[in-house]
Amino acid sequence: NAGVTQTPKFRILKIGQSMTLQCAQDMNHNYMYWYRQDPGMGLKLIYYSVGAGITDKGEVPNGYNVSRSTTEDFPLRLELAAPSQTSVYFCASSLDRSNQPQHFGDGTRLSIL
Amino acid sequence: EDQVTQSPEALRLQEGESSSLNCSYTVSGLRGLFWYRQDPGKGPEFLFTLYSAGEEKEKERLKATLTKKESFLHITAPKPEDSATYLCAAYTDKLIFGTGTRLQVFP
Repeated sequence: NAGVTQTPKFRILKIGQSMTLQCAQDMNHNYMYWYRQDPGMGLKLIYYSVGAGITDKGEVPNGYNVSRSTTEDFPLRLELAAPSQTSVYFCASSLDRSNQPQHFGDGTRLSIL
Repeated sequence: EDQVTQSPEALRLQEGESSSLNCSYTVSGLRGLFWYRQDPGKGPEFLFTLYSAGEEKEKERLKATLTKKESFLHITAPKPEDSATYLCAAYTDKLIFGTGTRLQVFP
């Protein structure tokens, strides 16, 4: 099993460009999450999904959009990239949204210049 | 406001020098306390979940403990391969992460 796979690993965008960060999991987990990690800050939840077709906002959703058409995939969309969105983005999944551990991908490092 | 604080921010140890990392939390309705290890350029890797005060869990040189206000990650006789950032997170209805302790173990 690959676990949680994120692509791309690195990306540089210009201000105003758009892009989609891909996330796929092969553990048949219902719950998926997007976090951002900034230096000196804890991981912050952007969006999460409890299953195909169902998504909800986390702590810092502004400037992002998500969709969940399948159990396996949970892409994160940046529509108008801003310098404040320079960060490392992590996707995670868990069996359910109780106290089960979340399993993380290796991240996408995004710079917006 | 729910909060998780980790200390120290950074810790340098000699190989074999045991120590502890602290995670203090102020949250409403703790349902679990998680410890993760994060290597440079990688995502967090799950280590332990603790559910109630007094609980302890061990894995190789690591032992995690939980009280009503804090959790400790004890590292016994660390090796250079234990060098990483250790994250704790409190679960209420969401995961609230601390900022981590960056551990460096020198031979």
